[in-house]
Parts: sequence; structure tokens; C-alpha cells
Amino acid sequence: DAMVIQNPRYQVTQFGKPVTLSCSQTLNHNVMYWYQQKSSQAPKLLFHYYDKDFNNEADTPDNFQSRRPNTSFCFLDIRSPGLGDAAMYLCATRERNYRGLDTEAFFGQGTRLTVV
Amino acid sequence: AQSVSQHNHHVILSEAASLELGCNYSYGGTVNLFWYVQYPGQHLQLLLKYFSGDPLVKGIKGFEAEFIKSKFSFNLRKPSVQWSDTAEYFCAVKVRGYQKVTFGTGTKLQVIP
Repeated sequence: DAMVIQNPRYQVTQFGKPVTLSCSQTLNHNVMYWYQQKSSQAPKLLFHYYDKDFNNEADTPDNFQSRRPNTSFCFLDIRSPGLGDAAMYLCATRERNYRGLDTEAFFGQGTRLTVV
Repeated sequence: AQSVSQHNHHVILSEAASLELGCNYSYGGTVNLFWYVQYPGQHLQLLLKYFSGDPLVKGIKGFEAEFIKSKFSFNLRKPSVQWSDTAEYFCAVKVRGYQKVTFGTGTKLQVIP
């Protein structure tokens, strides 16, 4: 029973051609994350949503945008992919309740992006 | 900003050997700590977590980790590894009250039958 679903699993895009990756969740979590993971590197946080509040990491390039139209869905838009953007993109969710109690993050399978 | 260091990038063990993977973090405040595992071709899955209380936490598949606050460490251990433990292991930290989860670079474990 997949709880965090990423589509597609593999995406090939052309250099400079906009691409959108999608993530959906059945957990009803209020926090959603997008990470970029390159080979042999740590997953790097690009941004996250806490409910509708968008939080961009300071070093995330402007080329990367995100949308969260509702609780269940979150999209990663890469406006003009470069060769350096080829990576695995991971979506994760987490629940932060209003008493400040935390849970762990749940990850999707990832989308492997190839730029040609 | 918090950071996480994993000292071992690639570990090779024989079955039944004991495992200890190091993890150190840098942040002086209250943190939540995690170990995730990624089996080949699969997504990141939680092995265990520490939020508060007993610093020795037990996770799935016989793994445990000990939080030593004075050393800023959260090392992962397993007394006897199996071939099926071959995977990549990631340590992660989250500062209490913030949403960002920061990962280490991971340790690839290869268990030889």
C-alpha cells in the first residue's frame, strides 16, 4: 500500500525543456518535502511545504519551483533543466501536529531524472 | 544550521559479523534523530528514531542505535548482520520545532555470504 507516490519513476527530458514531477500522498500529512539526491551524496532539501506555507532553502536555484494545490499533491517544476539537474528527486511527507509532537518522514520511491 | 557526518562511506562485512555505523551531528539544541535504510531499487525506509527518553532505541530487523548527547552521536549497531542487510544507510537529524530534515551522505553496507 503505497503511501507516498511519485510519478513517473523515470523521466527523460531535453536540455532546457520544462519538466514537472509529481508526488501524492494518502497519509494526509501537513508537511511535504522535495529532496534532490545525486549519486553518492546525501539527499539535499530543495524546499518544503508546511500546510500551504512554502519554505525555500536558501541555496535552491530559481530554476526549481514547487506547487501544492491541496494536501495530497505536490509538484516539482524544473523550468529549464540543465545537465547538472540530472538526479533522483525524492518526495517525503511528515505530520507535525499542533502540539509540536513530531513524527518521522515517509518517502516515495523517487523519480530519476535524466537530462539529454 | 544542522549538519550530519557519516564517517564510513562503504563497509564490507561477512555474515554474522557485528556492525557499527557512525553518525555525528552538529547542533547544540534539541534534535530528533533517525536512521533510514535504502535497499537496492527501493525507497528510503525508517529503521529507527529517537525523539526523547531512553537514549538506546531499538528499531526493525534487530537494529539499535544509541544517542550520546555529549558526543553528538547516534551510532547504528547490529550484533550479527545478514546478507539481506546489504543496503545504504542514512543518518538524519531534525531540530525540534523546525521542519527541515538533514541527511548524512550515507554508508553503503555490503554483506558477503
